[in-house]
Amino acid sequence: SQKIEQNSEALNIQEGKTATLTCNYTNYSPAYLQWYRQDPGRGPVFLLLIRENEKEKRKERLKVTFDTTLKQSLFHITASQPADSATYLCALDLSGTYKYIFGTGTRLKVLA
Amino acid sequence: EAGVTQFPSHSVIEKGQTVTLRCDPISGHDNLYWYRRVMGKEIKFLLHFVKESKQDESGMPNNRFLAERTGGTYSTLKVQPAELEDSGVYFCASSPRVSSSPLHFGNGTRLTVT
Repeated sequence: SQKIEQNSEALNIQEGKTATLTCNYTNYSPAYLQWYRQDPGRGPVFLLLIRENEKEKRKERLKVTFDTTLKQSLFHITASQPADSATYLCALDLSGTYKYIFGTGTRLKVLA
Repeated sequence: EAGVTQFPSHSVIEKGQTVTLRCDPISGHDNLYWYRRVMGKEIKFLLHFVKESKQDESGMPNNRFLAERTGGTYSTLKVQPAELEDSGVYFCASSPRVSSSPLHFGNGTRLTVT
């Protein structure tokens, strides 16, 4: 069956360190993979999109990698700050369907 | 630009009652999606409109749920009659007519069925 897995355990890291979040999927062949941030009581907010033919994408302190062989995406936040504390969701676009499938999200807490 | 707005933000109803959720997408966004998050689970796809047409409603749980998007602008999602398992947060999202476009989400409607 099709599945997207994100580490359901909360991730606690010290301010200034790099946070690395993982998104693994099975039985999908996504054309795109997106990362979103969600704060309590709010809707998800788009962060980055990476295409299947791209290995890496960067935006300011954020970096996403996409390995279609391993069926995995890694999301990095460098020089993390307490304001980065949130739940981070990965979402897969099923090619041609305009339909996005979300993982359960990983809660990140950056400790001052 | 104004974001995606959803109304109401919270709704508490009794089992068997009817509730209608509304979503106003970003102006000009042809694609409108409804998603739902049940406690502890992932955000799950319900359905997708392109303008006023239902493109994909494969995620709708059953025929107690009815979504409409008259005129291709705002959308409503009606639950009738509501059951306890319908409780959750209902999100609406919109995007332009490009497949790689990010989704713009509203802040959701928290529905509690008692």
